[in-house]
Amino acid sequence: ELKVEQNPLFLSMQEGKNYTIYCNYSTTSDRLYWYRQDPGKSLESLFVLLSNGAVKQEGRLMASLDTKARLSTLHITAAVHDLSATYFCAVEAGNQFYFGTGTSLTVIP
Amino acid sequence: DTGVSQNPRHKITKRGQNVTFRCDPISEHNRLYWYRQTLGQGPEFLTYFQNEAQLEKSRLLSDRFSAERPKGSFSTLEIQRTEQGDSAMYLCASSLMERNYGYTFGSGTRLTVV
Repeated sequence: ELKVEQNPLFLSMQEGKNYTIYCNYSTTSDRLYWYRQDPGKSLESLFVLLSNGAVKQEGRLMASLDTKARLSTLHITAAVHDLSATYFCAVEAGNQFYFGTGTSLTVIP
Repeated sequence: DTGVSQNPRHKITKRGQNVTFRCDPISEHNRLYWYRQTLGQGPEFLTYFQNEAQLEKSRLLSDRFSAERPKGSFSTLEIQRTEQGDSAMYLCASSLMERNYGYTFGSGTRLTVV
């Protein structure tokens, strides 16, 4: 079964700092997605990465995909409190997503 | 049509009762998915429809679970003889056949079995 591992699982960072969340997966796939989830809420799509070397940026978040290394990263630049949430990566294989365990991010003022 | 709609938002039921959830996808989306998410975990795949055809089911979908998508529009997920272990958030998502724009998730139905 395809496994998706995220690290760290928990991240506490100060406002203004930079950090990277890593997503490793265990099988070949060239479709990877990043989602944000606020407590008690559903999943909000952040990025869709569809090929090796894909890089996308939105505001303070930037995601990249290296299909050869089976690795995606979500980089946070100059964090602000509003970014506090749980972030999931999801690998598409066949007709389903395999989600990572999530990274719970808390940005401290 | 502003997104994927799920009803009810919350459901509390007694163990052994049957429950049914509804998902209305984005109207032009022909793919529909059900996922289950327990506290502190990522969502887990349950089943997938392409139009009205149920094309894939997870082994998580025991005999007590059934899903339908009549006419390829809305979908229902029924759980019979609920157990406490069924308590979770049930998420529905939809997408176009061409998935380059990703999937849109609904707000979910939170089930509590007491």
